[in-house]
Amino acid sequence: DADVTQTPRNRITKTGKRIMLECSQTKGHDRMYWYRQDPGLGLRLIYYSFDVKDINKGEISDGYSVSRQAQAKFSLSLESAIPNQTALYFCATSDSARLAGVHEQFFGPGTRLTVL
Amino acid sequence: ELKVEQNPLFLSMQEGKNYTIYCNYSTTSDRLYWYRQDPGKSLESLFVLLSNGAVKQEGRLMASLDTKARLSTLHITAAVHDLSATYFCAVDVGSQGNLIFGKGTKLSVKP
Repeated sequence: DADVTQTPRNRITKTGKRIMLECSQTKGHDRMYWYRQDPGLGLRLIYYSFDVKDINKGEISDGYSVSRQAQAKFSLSLESAIPNQTALYFCATSDSARLAGVHEQFFGPGTRLTVL
Repeated sequence: ELKVEQNPLFLSMQEGKNYTIYCNYSTTSDRLYWYRQDPGKSLESLFVLLSNGAVKQEGRLMASLDTKARLSTLHITAAVHDLSATYFCAVDVGSQGNLIFGKGTKLSVKP
């Protein structure tokens, strides 16, 4: 079974709709992240969370919100989707208890979102 | 603003040839990660480089880190088709562990 799972894997929605992307992990990691990937732009950080009570904005948080429901669950919401939010979205995790200074991140399979 | 620049962004090479992908970054960091992404797939961790002079090797890939030059390299030896993928470097920018990714190098190995 995958350590980091994302649902849905593919989603097509219309402009103005609210949509939620979910991420779950069984790795026992405390830190979770949401990225979007656009062709030619690499990965850009949307939000990150270091524990259930900690939420931080990333580079491109406008138009997005998140919820950390439990250590293992981190959801990304688009309150009113727009076409330029069409992208591939990745959830990632890391373990702060690992060897000091090592912040290797482990990625989920991704969600392909299309906003029409 | 931290910048992470990879070059080349696209690389087409023949099987059996050697080549190097470069990752330059603009701020002090002694931790750098390399990831591989196959088309339509997730990112897979390849190498974790944690200090100046660090060198890691796995099969036909070897990664190194020069923190003074703010440069990491990913060297490909005797390329094979199975290495075709997009390779990303990511720089660790501080104690919080946030990573800044390069734009990726799309490698295509042709027979």
